[in-house]
Amino acid sequence: AQSVTQLGSHVSVSEGALVLLRCNYSSSVPPYLFWYVQYPNQGLQLLLKYTSAATLVKGINGFEAEFKKSETSFHLTKPSAHMSDAAEYFCAVSVGSSSDKLIFGTGTRLQVFP
Amino acid sequence: DSGVTQTPKHLITATGQRVTLRCSPRSGDLSVYWYQQSLDQGLQFLIQYYNGEERAKGNILERFSAQQFPDLHSELNLSSLELGDSALYFCASSPGTTGAGNTIYFGEGSWLTVV
Repeated sequence: AQSVTQLGSHVSVSEGALVLLRCNYSSSVPPYLFWYVQYPNQGLQLLLKYTSAATLVKGINGFEAEFKKSETSFHLTKPSAHMSDAAEYFCAVSVGSSSDKLIFGTGTRLQVFP
Repeated sequence: DSGVTQTPKHLITATGQRVTLRCSPRSGDLSVYWYQQSLDQGLQFLIQYYNGEERAKGNILERFSAQQFPDLHSELNLSSLELGDSALYFCASSPGTTGAGNTIYFGEGSWLTVV
């Protein structure tokens, strides 16, 4: 069965520092991978997605992620954190041929300190 | 604004009761998904409908049911409610074409508190 594992339920960085949120996937077939962000009291917003077109995917708000098949990883990065990046981030996988439902990881809460 | 509309935004009800959560998908989207988000279970996929037909089923309890109507809106019915059903319920939608990789858009959720 397809799944994603997010390493670290909480990540804290200083404003201006590199953000690195880790996601590893498990899939027997080429996966489609997604990162969503959830701000407090809001729904989930798509940051970026990998659909096999390019291994380095650029998303909104300066985030990007690199698909590494050899490491079964899809880590999310941002060169310089901003206070407004504080939120919960979810990695998700979709592989269904009959259903495109997403299977989510457990989430990583990002805190940004001034 | 994702274009997915959910009502009600907040709901408080007693154990044993029944509630209905409503969702209007983005204009033109044929697929509707329901997810449950709770502190102990995280984000759990419940069920997906495509153009009125059930397409995929996840960890949905037998006390819960859903349907998608001809106008594509969807309802999630939760009955015999228990304290553990307290959660944030998300509806999401996508164009729903076959195969994976579709972007799925989420509503802002319906907060259910069972007391």
